[in-house]
Amino acid sequence: DVKVTQSSRYLVKRTGEKVFLECVQDMDHENMFWYRQDPGLGLRLIYFSYDVKMKEKGDIPEGYSVSREKKERFSLILESASTNQTSMYLCASSSLTTGGETQYFGPGTRLLVL
Amino acid sequence: GESVGLHLPTLSVQEGDNSIINCAYSNSASDYFIWYKQESGKGPQFIIDIRSNMDKRQGQRVTVLLNKTVKHLSLQIAATQPGDSAVYFCAVPLNAGNNRKLIWGLGTSLAVNP
Repeated sequence: DVKVTQSSRYLVKRTGEKVFLECVQDMDHENMFWYRQDPGLGLRLIYFSYDVKMKEKGDIPEGYSVSREKKERFSLILESASTNQTSMYLCASSSLTTGGETQYFGPGTRLLVL
Repeated sequence: GESVGLHLPTLSVQEGDNSIINCAYSNSASDYFIWYKQESGKGPQFIIDIRSNMDKRQGQRVTVLLNKTVKHLSLQIAATQPGDSAVYFCAVPLNAGNNRKLIWGLGTSLAVNP
C-alpha cells in the first residue's frame, strides 16, 4: 500500500513565524502535491513537483514555497505565517508509471495561526 | 476554465438504502475520472476510477456510471452503512492526457442514519 506521511497532525504557530510542513512518501512516486482544504472551498492546489528539484505553482501559491531535495520528500514552507493560512494542509503523491492521475493522500496537518 | 461540480453538497440516507452522489464536469475531452472518500480528520482516499471508454465500472458495493453525452458521472453505494459517512469528491485531470493536476469538485457530505 502507498503510504504518505505528514510530519504533524496539528500545529499552532504565531503570525510571522516561518513554518515547515514535511511530507514523505514511500512508493517512489514522481509527483508530489500540496493542497489546502477549507470549508466550502474544497481542495486547492498550492504547489506540485514532478521531479527532484522541480516545482510548479498551483492555483494559490502566494505566501508559500516548496522544496524537493529528495524524491520521497516534499516540504511546504510558509515564509511568514498569517492568520488566513489557518487551514488543513494535505500532501499527495502519484506515479507516472501507473497513469499518474490517481493521487494518494497523507492524513493532513491542521494548522492554526494565531 | 475547467470545472467540476456536484449537484448536492449534502445527502442523508437511511442505513441499508442505496446512495447516489452526482458530479458534472465541463471538459468534453476529459478521459479519466476518480472518486475519493474523505472521512472526518483524514485525507481523501481513492475509491474507484473510470476511463472514458467505459460507461460503468463496479467495485465492492460501489458503482461509477459515466454519461459522456451530458458530461455527468455518479457514484452509487449499495446498502449504505454507517462507515460510509464521509465527504465524497469527484476529480478529473485538468487536461486530457495530462496526468499531473486534478480538478476537484467541492464534495458531497453523506450522512447515514441508523
